[in-house]
Amino acid sequence: GAGVSQSPRYKVAKRGQDVALRCDPISGHVSLFWYQQALGQGPEFLTYFQNEAQLDKSGLPSDRFFAERPEGSVSTLKIQRTQQEDSAVYLCASIPGQGYNSPLHFGNGTRLTVT
Amino acid sequence: AQSVTQPDIHITVSEGASLELRCNYSYGATPYLFWYVQSPGQGLQLLLKYFSGDTLVQGIKGFEAEFKRSQSSFNLRKPSVHWSDAAEYFCAVGNTNAGKSTFGDGTTLTVKP
Repeated sequence: GAGVSQSPRYKVAKRGQDVALRCDPISGHVSLFWYQQALGQGPEFLTYFQNEAQLDKSGLPSDRFFAERPEGSVSTLKIQRTQQEDSAVYLCASIPGQGYNSPLHFGNGTRLTVT
Repeated sequence: AQSVTQPDIHITVSEGASLELRCNYSYGATPYLFWYVQSPGQGLQLLLKYFSGDTLVQGIKGFEAEFKRSQSSFNLRKPSVHWSDAAEYFCAVGNTNAGKSTFGDGTTLTVKP
């Protein structure tokens, strides 16, 4: 079956540009997560949706980061006025239910390079 | 706050040798524990998980891990490593919302022929 799909796979942006990263979770998965993985580090939590509701955005590093999931399926992570420190792999993951005891199903990520 | 430490940044083993990757966590209650594997350019794939019950858990690809509460550890083991096991391995701890997990910085495994 189809897994979590992320696009684009690679994105190069000039400093100051806005970018939008897309995530298609596994069909029917209720919960969706965004993680940021800097080079040589483990993923770090950014934000979490249950259906269309954004229940936790405590990991978003600044107000330049914004995520939405308007219809409870596809999600978009938007970064405004990109900075070099935003360069990382952005991973999306989904879970069938509300979390608790379910492991994450990850996409292959979007590698963002800010020049 | 919860945290995960993977003390070994890089490990090299010979094909056919045994493997143990270390993971220590900090968490106030009974944790949800996971091991994920990441191949270059890929997302993370779950190897195994511990929620409760038997402290020795079996996973995919012949991996197992043992939860030791007294040592706050969840080490990953494999009796005989294959060349295809070369990858980066991440230990993670989750809370009541297991999706919101805290990851270690990973251990890169190299397998010598």
